[in-house]
Amino acid sequence: GENVEQHPSTLSVQEGDSAVIKCTYSDSASNYFPWYKQELGKRPQLIIDIRSNVGEKKDQRIAVTLNKTAKHFSLHITETQPEDSAVYFCAASKSQGAQKLVFGQGTRLTINP
Amino acid sequence: SQTIHQWPATLVQPVGSPLSLECTVEGTSNPNLYWYRQAAGRGLQLLFYSVGIGQISSEVPQNLSASRPQDRQFILSSKKLLLSDSGFYLCAWSSALVHGYTFGSGTRLTVV
Repeated sequence: GENVEQHPSTLSVQEGDSAVIKCTYSDSASNYFPWYKQELGKRPQLIIDIRSNVGEKKDQRIAVTLNKTAKHFSLHITETQPEDSAVYFCAASKSQGAQKLVFGQGTRLTINP
Repeated sequence: SQTIHQWPATLVQPVGSPLSLECTVEGTSNPNLYWYRQAAGRGLQLLFYSVGIGQISSEVPQNLSASRPQDRQFILSSKKLLLSDSGFYLCAWSSALVHGYTFGSGTRLTVV
């Protein structure tokens, strides 16, 4: 089955700097890659996703890149703000059938003022 | 629009007691439904998923079970809770027309 590895497990950056979180996946048939943000005690919220037919997607300060050949994808947050502090999860799945999402272990991002 | 309801929000149960968590989805039909568990400070582990009424697939062996008695209702149960069942339980849904999962607000279960 699918296996998703996420790095780093913790990340601390200065406010205004950029943050990058990386994930690798094992199943070449996976074609859907979402990123979730989870604040303390809350449910995970989808922040951006990408499908395998594109290499990059951007939404304001957040961008995701996908390298299908290398089977890795990354989340980029620019101009970080204190409210970006949270745990971020990457995931991978096939978009057909049961659409089971396999999650990475999460990255705790801390933005230092 | 689609919404997902999950209850209760918190639960403290003694070891050996039964469990029933309920999740319902509104505004869509024939969704895929999922139960995840998140241990403190850890990732999301898929427990069960369902692609239709009465169709349940289990991802990990454990003393939990799931049922889908109606199209938009998903129930997580246990006959006898263990200490290791403590965690944050999240229900989620997806469909071919909606990108990604939408999670319920979660149930924080503490087994004492």
